[in-house]
Amino acid sequence: GAGVSQSPSNKVTEKGKDVELRCDPISGHTALYWYRQSLGQGLEFLIYFQGNSAPDKSGLPSDRFSAERTGGSVSTLTIQRTQQEDSAVYLCASTRSRISPRETQYFGPGTRLLVL
Amino acid sequence: GQNIDQPTEMTATEGAIVQINCTYQTSGFNGLFWYQQHAGEAPTFLSYNVLDGLEEKGRFSSFLSRSKGYSYLLLKELQMKDSASYLCAVRGDSNYQLIWGAGTKLIIKP
Repeated sequence: GAGVSQSPSNKVTEKGKDVELRCDPISGHTALYWYRQSLGQGLEFLIYFQGNSAPDKSGLPSDRFSAERTGGSVSTLTIQRTQQEDSAVYLCASTRSRISPRETQYFGPGTRLLVL
Repeated sequence: GQNIDQPTEMTATEGAIVQINCTYQTSGFNGLFWYQQHAGEAPTFLSYNVLDGLEEKGRFSSFLSRSKGYSYLLLKELQMKDSASYLCAVRGDSNYQLIWGAGTKLIIKP
């Protein structure tokens, strides 16, 4: 497909389990973002990847959260020992580059995570 | 701190006009974005303003006043499919991060 894809679309897990969320950016897009969107809240920045540069992990809420991007394309967000407060929609977005301030972010449909 | 404020919810009638406001306080300013997000779907880009004034794009227009830290999205000839959340986001002094508002849920009634 031409857009950003994410999987799974929905994930229900038990408290304490680990989960992996996957993002496939648009081909050729060098920048990739992960966001968390809770009900009634704005998009919360989690992590940013740009090419081969070191990622900006400043938005990760705790050390239970980690992300990697292999080969400059697919990214995986891992949440270890999930807690109920981790329940949210996790959105991935990609852009062609960071050079232009007007660069548009293209979003995937998100993964809806529910921690019981 | 950095802050973006939008109304939580607005209701309008099909065929009418609605204005969704966004005020911001950020360190630096390199443009303001509006995105539309239908329930359960991905946000999609609507507009980008970096200079003061009104930018028109079909039924949607976006206005910016940098001196007032203020923007609005104007939707004309409302259709039922315009029922969605509208997100305001500002690029401050970061060359890649956006600061996001909580979004305005727009409900269109027949």
